[in-house]
Amino acid sequence: EAEVAQSPRYKITEKSQAVAFWCDPISGHATLYWYRQILGQGPELLVQFQDESVVDDSQLPKDRFSAERLKGVDSTLKIQPAELGDSAMYLCASSLIRALTGELFFGEGSRLTVL
Amino acid sequence: TQLLEQSPQFLSIQEGENLTVYCNSSSVFSSLQWYRQEPGEGPVLLVTVVTGGEVKKLKRLTFQFGDARKDSSLHITAAQPGDTGLYLCAGAGSGAGSYQLTFGKGTKLSVIP
Repeated sequence: EAEVAQSPRYKITEKSQAVAFWCDPISGHATLYWYRQILGQGPELLVQFQDESVVDDSQLPKDRFSAERLKGVDSTLKIQPAELGDSAMYLCASSLIRALTGELFFGEGSRLTVL
Repeated sequence: TQLLEQSPQFLSIQEGENLTVYCNSSSVFSSLQWYRQEPGEGPVLLVTVVTGGEVKKLKRLTFQFGDARKDSSLHITAAQPGDTGLYLCAGAGSGAGSYQLTFGKGTKLSVIP
């Protein structure tokens, strides 16, 4: 069964360092999302792509976070410099259609710990 | 910003008991989804409800969408240890002209054998 692939699963870094997360969505899924989930809370949308274009990054802290999906397939989320408050699970999700009933398929996430 | 409030935040029950969790908002949603998330994994979709008043059943789970499409409930009958997890509701609406899901903070369910 097709899955959303994310790497790394776990990342420990010191504050002020740069970190990057990678996501490969399910083949054919045009819409890709990056969510951040703090322990014990629900996912919060950081950025949404439709193919290679950003359609919403209003909640992305652009002073330190960047995201790209250059060829409209896989995507990278970068944090530079990392801060203590960035410790969280970073979830990537993809969906086939943009309809309001579309199912999001999530990857297993990348857990970041900033020391 | 469309906010979803879930209650209770934590729930610990004995195997075989029934339970209901709630998802409430002051906003109207085009549809609402329920996801279940196990520790260390991503959320997995359980159900999507679209029509006000709609009721959907998935084995021992019953989902209801409020008539005004502002709230939803999840009822589990005869809970099993395998039901343990974080239950998230997510409302679909339009933001920046595109389809978006807004998640609640979740209900963490523990079913004790």
